[in-house]
Amino acid sequence: QVTLKESGPVLVKPTETLTLTCTVSGFSLSNARMGVSWIRQPPGKALEWLAHIFSNDEKSYSTSLKSRLTISKDTSKSQVVLTMTNMDPVDTATYYCARILDYVAFDIWGQGTMVTVSS
Amino acid sequence: QSVLTQPPSVSAAPGQKVTISCSGSSSNIGNNYVSWYQQLPGTAPKLLIYENNKRPSGIPDRFSGSKSGTSATLGITGLQTGDEADYYCGTWDSSLSAGGVFGGGTKLTVL
Repeated sequence: QVTLKESGPVLVKPTETLTLTCTVSGFSLSNARMGVSWIRQPPGKALEWLAHIFSNDEKSYSTSLKSRLTISKDTSKSQVVLTMTNMDPVDTATYYCARILDYVAFDIWGQGTMVTVSS
Repeated sequence: QSVLTQPPSVSAAPGQKVTISCSGSSSNIGNNYVSWYQQLPGTAPKLLIYENNKRPSGIPDRFSGSKSGTSATLGITGLQTGDEADYYCGTWDSSLSAGGVFGGGTKLTVL
């Protein structure tokens, strides 16, 4: 069974750096057909793609957030990590990680983790 | 402001059919596969349609997808109250970030 699970802080202060971890099971991050994306959703709003990473370490970032994001993976731990610097209240959202299959679609999603940015 | 454009809401009666449109451009829908996601209240999105018109295992054939040029459409027949959800289209964008893009979401109400 393929699963992804997000973990990280529930609350961060403005200007702090957010670090989120996506732990995957049921597939390997070294599989050439698969990658992992981070996607967020502010309360009551639409999905927003943030970044992705593939088995060959190919990475891509949202143009509007590129300067604040870093994505990395640890294949041995089956984890993908996203860091976002200089957090602001507008970054309050549920953050999801999702598997990308064949560069086509996000076929399996984690349950999401809600992050609130507040002092 | 989402890259892909969807109607904010659609509604129909149980048993009826509804379509949801998704409009983009040549840098996204026009040159990439479209996927559709269903998000039930309080849950994570779930893949409904991939590669424009394919259904993952377990998705009933009441759900269908199509694409023409820079637009795509999700169709749902035999509407059920359990279909009430937000629906998102998604694809890849070949321009600046070469990453994923989504529509603004469509709230389906089954009257």
